[in-house]
Amino acid sequence: EAGVAQSPRYKIIEKRQSVAFWCNPISGHATLYWYQQILGQGPKLLIQFQNNGVVDDSQLPKDRFSAERLKGVDSTLKIQPAKLEDSAVYLCASSLVGTVWTEAFFGQGTRLTVV
Amino acid sequence: QKEVEQNSGPLSVPEGAIASLNCTYSDRVSQSFFWYRQYSGKSPELIMSIYSNGDKEDGRFTAQLNKASQYVSLLIRDSQPSDSATYLCAGVYSGTYKYIFGTGTRLKVLA
Repeated sequence: EAGVAQSPRYKIIEKRQSVAFWCNPISGHATLYWYQQILGQGPKLLIQFQNNGVVDDSQLPKDRFSAERLKGVDSTLKIQPAKLEDSAVYLCASSLVGTVWTEAFFGQGTRLTVV
Repeated sequence: QKEVEQNSGPLSVPEGAIASLNCTYSDRVSQSFFWYRQYSGKSPELIMSIYSNGDKEDGRFTAQLNKASQYVSLLIRDSQPSDSATYLCAGVYSGTYKYIFGTGTRLKVLA
């Protein structure tokens, strides 16, 4: 079974530029999460999708971050414009369904450096 | 109070010893918990899940859940240098079922 796929693996951009990350979840997984992990910290949930609907985006900085999950499969996360403090690893995870018994599996992540 | 809290460590144990990692949680977190291991520069890897009060064992790992005291722990027996990593505790938020992570505890197993 293929895992969660993310691209690109690394990205370096200048502040005020825009960037997009892509995620393909495990086949059949209805729930998709985007996390931001700053060095030395635990992952922080940015947005959670159930199929193509948003379940929680309370910690997504909506003035600069956006995410979509068209057709309930692939998802993209965009930052526009980027700030220095956006430097982090962006992790995508998926789970079969969002319940209290959910086991979530992570992709390799995208390491973003904003200079 | 944070929803899921962990001591950031580092926790240092000698090779062969038992490593004990702890996590506490708030009322807003439902009582399903997951332990992830994260090596430096890698993504989190699920190692244990626990849903019921009590102990759950899997090889060298034992997860313990105490609902009355609102804590969950992970014991690693016969610790090996390869166990050196950050261990993340995650709970599921009641209502939206979002995964909430603690800050992680860095474990160092000394050879």
